[in-house]
Amino acid sequence: NAGVTQTPKFRILKIGQSMTLQCTQDMNHNYMYWYRQDPGMGLKLIYYSVGAGITDKGEVPNGYNVSRSTTEDFPLRLELAAPSQTSVYFCASSLPRTGGPEQYFGPGTRLTVT
Amino acid sequence: AQTVTQSQPEMSVQEAETVTLSCTYDTSENNYYLFWYKQPPSRQMILVIRQEAYKQQNATENRFSVNFQKAAKSFSLKISDSQLGDTAMYFCAFGETGAGSYQLTFGKGTKLSVIP
Repeated sequence: NAGVTQTPKFRILKIGQSMTLQCTQDMNHNYMYWYRQDPGMGLKLIYYSVGAGITDKGEVPNGYNVSRSTTEDFPLRLELAAPSQTSVYFCASSLPRTGGPEQYFGPGTRLTVT
Repeated sequence: AQTVTQSQPEMSVQEAETVTLSCTYDTSENNYYLFWYKQPPSRQMILVIRQEAYKQQNATENRFSVNFQKAAKSFSLKISDSQLGDTAMYFCAFGETGAGSYQLTFGKGTKLSVIP
């Protein structure tokens, strides 16, 4: 049981490049989330999904896109990377109807845009 | 919108001593959850403890316990017999219940250093 996995662990992008951060969970959780963590700050919600085919914006969605074609996968797409997107990105999942709203996190992806 | 405030950016404690981390929150909801997450230098977010708002009894998990004061909207974390492995960032988080996103709102964190 791997829990929540994220790839890559680290990435350096040039301004204007695009990339996809991968997130997979094997706990059959229906809810999945993407957060960013800036230095000295807590986590801020980018996007979330309540099930396959359903996504919605969080607090800071600009510059990102998501999709949810399966229960297991929830990739985050960065288009036209900007220095302001330098951050650590966390994917999380939960099963609130039966397991409570606590979220289980992946190990994070450190992204630098230069 | 809910807000979570952690007023202690940094704290330190001697090994084997007890330390309390503070957290206050603001909400108009009556039913909700509160959490403490630990983030060690490895960066992994680890759930430490959770509290359901409808429960009067304070949650405990081994050396970790909370003091939940619903009327005061306060949710502090007490770590007893501090160990070097407790050195980490600690985040307080508020979780809404009911229909919706079940999203968590996080405080800015408290950096705890355990001194040998």
